[in-house]
Amino acid sequence: AQRVTQPEKLLSVFKGAPVELKCNYSYSGSPELFWYVQYSRQRLQLLLRHISRESIKGFTADLNKGETSFHLKKPFAQEEDSAMYYCALKGTGTYKYIFGTGTRLKVLA
Amino acid sequence: EAEVAQSPRYKITEKSQAVAFWCDPISGHATLYWYRQILGQGPELLVQFQDESVVDDSQLPKDRFSAERLKGVDSTLKIQPAELGDSAMYLCASSSYLGQGYEQYFGPGTRLTVT
Repeated sequence: AQRVTQPEKLLSVFKGAPVELKCNYSYSGSPELFWYVQYSRQRLQLLLRHISRESIKGFTADLNKGETSFHLKKPFAQEEDSAMYYCALKGTGTYKYIFGTGTRLKVLA
Repeated sequence: EAEVAQSPRYKITEKSQAVAFWCDPISGHATLYWYRQILGQGPELLVQFQDESVVDDSQLPKDRFSAERLKGVDSTLKIQPAELGDSAMYLCASSSYLGQGYEQYFGPGTRLTVT
């Protein structure tokens, strides 16, 4: 079955502390993995995708095919990182996205 | 910057009534998605269009939900009759190829409350 699992509903960290939001997936094939973010009162937007291998707003995510994971990391959290984060996958050759249940990140001052 | 538009932003309706949501994707985006997001969960795909054709509606409750994109541009999602369990955020998104792959752009959503 195709599935994205985000085990933490809420993650609270202090400003300046490292952050890791977990994402595991189940997919038979080679999926594309994404992280989406929704800031308060804003629409859902793409944060980063694994094929870009880029850092956005200090966040990085590495696709680990062996562990079927795509964890989102940032070495030093900022208060403006507080938001809802969704991990998603898309099957190669399809347009269908499957989302996880999301993790709310709260960065405390 | 072009954005996906949705209306209405909020809708309160009574059980058994009909309700309709409208989405206008970013110009030139051939792929359009309707998602339902229940509180505390991630977006769940209801229907996906490629131009005016339905590509995937496997999760659409077809006994009460319908979706159309007649000219391959804007789209309407209808629920008739609405049930209490339909209370959710309904998101529209459109996608386009951007160099390294497809990127989805989301609208602000329509929050539906069924009483």
